[in-house]
Order: sequence, then C-alpha cells, then structure tokens
Amino acid sequence: NAGVMQNPRHLVRRRGQEARLRCSPMKGHSHVYWYRQLPEEGLKFMVYLQKENIIDESGMPKERFSAEFPKEGPSILRIQQVVRGDSAAYFCASSTRAGGFETQYFGPGTRLLVL
Amino acid sequence: AQSVTQLGSHVSVSEGALVLLRCNYSSSVPPYLFWYVQYPNQGLQLLLKYTSAATLVKGINGFEAEFKKSETSFHLTKPSAHMSDAAEYFCAVMNDYKLSFGAGTTVTVRA
Repeated sequence: NAGVMQNPRHLVRRRGQEARLRCSPMKGHSHVYWYRQLPEEGLKFMVYLQKENIIDESGMPKERFSAEFPKEGPSILRIQQVVRGDSAAYFCASSTRAGGFETQYFGPGTRLLVL
Repeated sequence: AQSVTQLGSHVSVSEGALVLLRCNYSSSVPPYLFWYVQYPNQGLQLLLKYTSAATLVKGINGFEAEFKKSETSFHLTKPSAHMSDAAEYFCAVMNDYKLSFGAGTTVTVRA
C-alpha cells in the first residue's frame, strides 16, 4: 500500500509567482490535512478537507492561500503571489477517519523556496 | 485547546546509552498523544500513540512511552541509542482532528 505522495518534493518560485502543491492520500483515506513547517515556528495545522469539502481552514492565511480536494485527483494547496515568508516545508497527511487516536500518515513534504 | 511542551530542543547521547525525550501535556480530559520522528528532509513517521488502553506504549524501532496522568507527561525512551536514531522527534496532541505539535527535539548520537 503506497504511502501519502506529495509532489513536487522541492519547488523554487520567485516572488509574485504561484505555487501548486499536490497530495495524493493513502488508498482508502478520505480525510486530508495540510501542515506547514516554518523555520523557528514548528509544525502548524493549516486545513482539513474531505472529498469536495473544506471542513476547517482555520490555520490558513486569509489571503493568497487556497486548498481543494476534488472528487477525482489529488488535493491541491495553492499559494498565489508567493512572498519570501512562504518559504517552508508543506506536509500533507491523510487518515481513514478523523480525530481521536486516529493516525494521520504524513507524506514526504514539499519544500518551497521563494527567491 | 490542548497543547504539548517538549523540554529540551537538543539531546546528545552516546551510542548504546539511554534516550529520554520529555513531553508534557496540558489537558483537562484524557488526551490523545502521539510521538512522531522526522529524519532529515523527510516526512513524519509515527513512532507510537497513546489510546488509553495501556499507560506504557510500545512503538517501532525499540521506542516506548509512558503516560503519567499525575505528572501530565508522556516521555519517550529507548534503552540503547543507535546511530540511526539521529533525527528530530515531535510530541503531538489531537485537538478534534488537528494535531498540535511540540517544538521538537533534535537527537544526535555520538559514536
């Protein structure tokens, strides 16, 4: 059973460009989460999605960031007009159910560098 | 919201020595606690989790953690460190469906 897949693994963008990060959950998992690991700030929750629904985006910056998990295809985290402060590692996780002691399985991450 | 605090951002141990990583939680209800490991430039891998079934939890790679309600702690231990244990370790607590992570502890292993 393949794990959570993320691509690209590394992404370099210039200020003002768009970044698209993709995440394919583990087979059978319908719950997807995005976390961001900023230098000196640690890992923080961004958004929780189920198929075609955003359940909780309380950790997402209000502007420039959006996420989706369509009926078909991977989940996408989109960052418009990137700034240097967006440079971070972005991790996707998935699970079969949400909450409690349900394990979230993490992908290898996408490391975004904004020049 | 529940939170965890990891004491010590860096731990250095000799190969074969005990590894002890500290994690304290703040919660008024039984928490769901996790330990994850992150190797350089990789994602997070689950080491173990507390589900209230037992206070001593055994995980992968020889790690275990003990839940102590009286001390609000969930410290991670391994009796004998191996070079391959060099990594960053995160304690986390589940808030609804969101994991809240500690700041992490980087472990280095000396030959």
